[in-house]
Amino acid sequence: QSVLTQPPSVSGAPGQRVTISCTGSSSNIGAGYDVHWYQQVPGTAPKLLIYNNNNRPSGVAVRFSGSKSGTSASLAITGLQAEDEADYYCQSYDSSLSTSGVFGTGTKVTVL
Amino acid sequence: EVQLVQSGAEVKKPGESLKISCKGSAETFINYWIGWVRQMPGKGLEWMGIIYPGDSDTRYSPSFQGQVTISADKSISTAYLQWSSLKASDTAMYYCARQTSSISRFDFWGQGTLVTVSS
Repeated sequence: QSVLTQPPSVSGAPGQRVTISCTGSSSNIGAGYDVHWYQQVPGTAPKLLIYNNNNRPSGVAVRFSGSKSGTSASLAITGLQAEDEADYYCQSYDSSLSTSGVFGTGTKVTVL
Repeated sequence: EVQLVQSGAEVKKPGESLKISCKGSAETFINYWIGWVRQMPGKGLEWMGIIYPGDSDTRYSPSFQGQVTISADKSISTAYLQWSSLKASDTAMYYCARQTSSISRFDFWGQGTLVTVSS
């Protein structure tokens, strides 16, 4: 069972803004560990989408943005597109688990 | 371009041993950490552990400690994930990925290796 909780699914029409939350605790996100986000299209390997809370790797569309506050983080997709339909995972580290990495439970984004 | 190339799909019986591999560039295996991630059928991502091939420093998730062995051979720029006795519950896709530090993001991923354990 993951220590980072995400909503199982979110949906939106093309052009809309959707957000995905990632709720942790004082031993992971709240302890100051950075949060990273990955996009996984079914049948393919995950792809880094946001790193260190709010940074986009080269080549990632500007409609993806991240934020972090307290024991939670969020991923926002502004101007949803059909190609954004995928699974999204947050990731951080947890000091109560020998400082090992942890992934969120994952969120399926559906474009209506 | 950074590439991590994983070994092919495996079909094994319960109790058998297995070692899968992840090959990258020399530069990747000198300066970065390599991690392994499990994805069981229809499920989410699970962080298994990481290794720094430069000195073989290895860290495991408590969930996987003692269940698998992570190793690397920097001379051939290859990391490994190994089981001594497979179980049906080990059936999953396994990804290797590169990390810039021991508590950083996975910035490049392999294509995945599907392991099927069935009698």
